[in-house]
This record gives sequence, C-alpha cells and structure tokens, in this order.
Amino acid sequence: GNSVTQMEGPVTLSEEAFLTINCTYTATGYPSLFWYVQYPGEGLQLLLKATKADDKGSNKGFEATYRKETTSFHLEKGSVQVSDSAVYFCALSDRDSSYKLIFGSGTRLLVRP
Amino acid sequence: SQTIHQWPATLVQPVGSPLSLECTVEGTSNPNLYWYRQAAGRGLQLLFYSVGIGQISSEVPQNLSASRPQDRQFILSSKKLLLSDSGFYLCAWSVLSAGAKNIQYFGAGTRLSVL
Repeated sequence: GNSVTQMEGPVTLSEEAFLTINCTYTATGYPSLFWYVQYPGEGLQLLLKATKADDKGSNKGFEATYRKETTSFHLEKGSVQVSDSAVYFCALSDRDSSYKLIFGSGTRLLVRP
Repeated sequence: SQTIHQWPATLVQPVGSPLSLECTVEGTSNPNLYWYRQAAGRGLQLLFYSVGIGQISSEVPQNLSASRPQDRQFILSSKKLLLSDSGFYLCAWSVLSAGAKNIQYFGAGTRLSVL
C-alpha cells in the first residue's frame, strides 16, 4: 500500500543554518505530495504542495521538489529561524484513494538562537 | 473564507466516562470531513472520514465512533473512555476537485487526557 517515510528527529540547528528534511514515498499511482507544519499546541497548516513530477512547491522560504525517479519530496530551507521550530509532516494523496492523506511520522525541528 | 472550529481545546476525563468532541466548518458546502488522532510524539492516524451527511467510514477498529448530523458538523464520540484514548484529536476538511488535489485544512485540535 501507499506509505510515506520521513527522517527521524529531532533535528537541531542553529539559526541561519541550512535545513533538509528527507521524505520518500511509495505509491501505486501518481500522488500529490504535501508538507504540513505543526507549531506547538496547534493544528496542522499546509506549508507547500506539488501535484506532478518535477513540480517545485515553495512557501515562506521552504522548498520541495517532486522527484518521481527517486520517489522523494525533501523539504529544504536555506536559512532557518527560531520561529521555524515545529513538527513537519510529509504527506501524499493518491488519486485512487482520493479521500485520504497518508502522513509520515513527522520530524521535529528545533532551531537555537 | 472557510474556517474550521473544534471544541473544546482541552479536556480531562476519567476512565469510563463518555466523550463528545465537535467540529464545524464554515464557508463551504458538502466538504469531506476527517478525524485524526495524534498520540504523544507520534504521527497522525486517520480515525474516520465522511463524504456526506450520515456517511461515515472507519479506518481502525476502536472505542470511538463518529457522526455527521449536518453537512458541516462532525462529532467524535465514545461511550466509555479508555486510558489509551488520550491524545491530540484533529478535525480536518477538504473539497475534492482537480485543482484542490485533496488539500486538507485542519482545526486547532483538542487535547484529551484520560485519567
């Protein structure tokens, strides 16, 4: 079945460091891919998305490119801030089961000043 | 614009007591609705989803049930809570369309502690 695998956290970085959070997926069809962010004590917010191969989603300085050849959707940011500290979830939505999002287990990011 | 409301934000309940969590969506019609649970330090588990009034699909067998009495209202219930029901419960909605690609929008969540 479809699945999403994320790198385990926590990831601890200093402010202005480069961020990469790895995400790979398994899907039978051509899924849409998403990154959601959860700030402490809050619900999830959509951070960015990509709907087909080679699409690049971007928002708030974060980017992720849909790589079909490596089945990956890694999240990157060139210079993180303390306010980026949160849990990041990678997810996919498969057209064959389009009612559901399948989430990875989440990666906690802690940015120190 | 669309908004989603969940309440209560925090709940502490004794084992064996009933539960009712409510979620309402404004600004859209006939949304798909979802209940997720997030255990401490874990990912999200889809519990229920609904594509219309009275239509509920359960993803995992458990101590909980869901109902959708109105188009934009989704309720999560239990007759007798277990310790293992503790967690962070999230409601979400989406509208299926080619453009939306099933983007789901989440409420702020309810933190449930069963003691």
